[in-house]
Amino acid sequence: RKEVEQDPGPFNVPEGATVAFNCTYSNSASQSFFWYRQDCRKEPKLLMSVYSSGNEDGRFTAQLNRASQYISLLIRDSKLSDSATYLCVVLNYGQNFVFGPGTRLSVLP
Amino acid sequence: NAGVTQTPKFQVLKTGQSMTLQCAQDMNHNSMYWYRQDPGMGLRLIYYSASEGTTDKGEVPNGYNVSRLNKREFSLRLESAAPSQTSVYFCASSNVGTGGLWTEAFFGQGTRLTVV
Repeated sequence: RKEVEQDPGPFNVPEGATVAFNCTYSNSASQSFFWYRQDCRKEPKLLMSVYSSGNEDGRFTAQLNRASQYISLLIRDSKLSDSATYLCVVLNYGQNFVFGPGTRLSVLP
Repeated sequence: NAGVTQTPKFQVLKTGQSMTLQCAQDMNHNSMYWYRQDPGMGLRLIYYSASEGTTDKGEVPNGYNVSRLNKREFSLRLESAAPSQTSVYFCASSNVGTGGLWTEAFFGQGTRLTVV
């Protein structure tokens, strides 16, 4: 079993739709959690950190459930520019960032 | 702000050739990382360096060596390239932030390596 697993995707949604991505992690000692965005043939870039209390940044909402070892990302009112691959990332005690395989999103006009 | 700089951006090697990928960060970060990314596999950690003078193996270290030259620079060497090492290589850096929590990883633009 992979340490970080994500919905396999791809997700094809129309503009304006709400889309949710799920992620699970296996290491209960994981310390920090992030969602990254990666555009085709580019480097990953931080979308948002994920906190236990949940956090929101504009149209994006991230949730963390430590008991279930589950992380989610909700995108509301999808834009064409949201098309990308979304990577779930956990930071383990040994200071290693472990990446999920990613979920590709295509927002269609 | 340069952030994390990798060189070269593209490289084609013949099987058996050697090369070094260079990475430098100007954010005064303690930790640096080398990842490779293959289709359908996500990013996999090759080596990391928690601080200057230390290096540790990641998930896929075979066929690679690293050097943490100083706090800024972390190089990745392929001693005898193989076609299985064809991949996109990313360097990243990170640091302890406020409250002792690590900041996110910042990435370089990647090196696209093809071994023929």
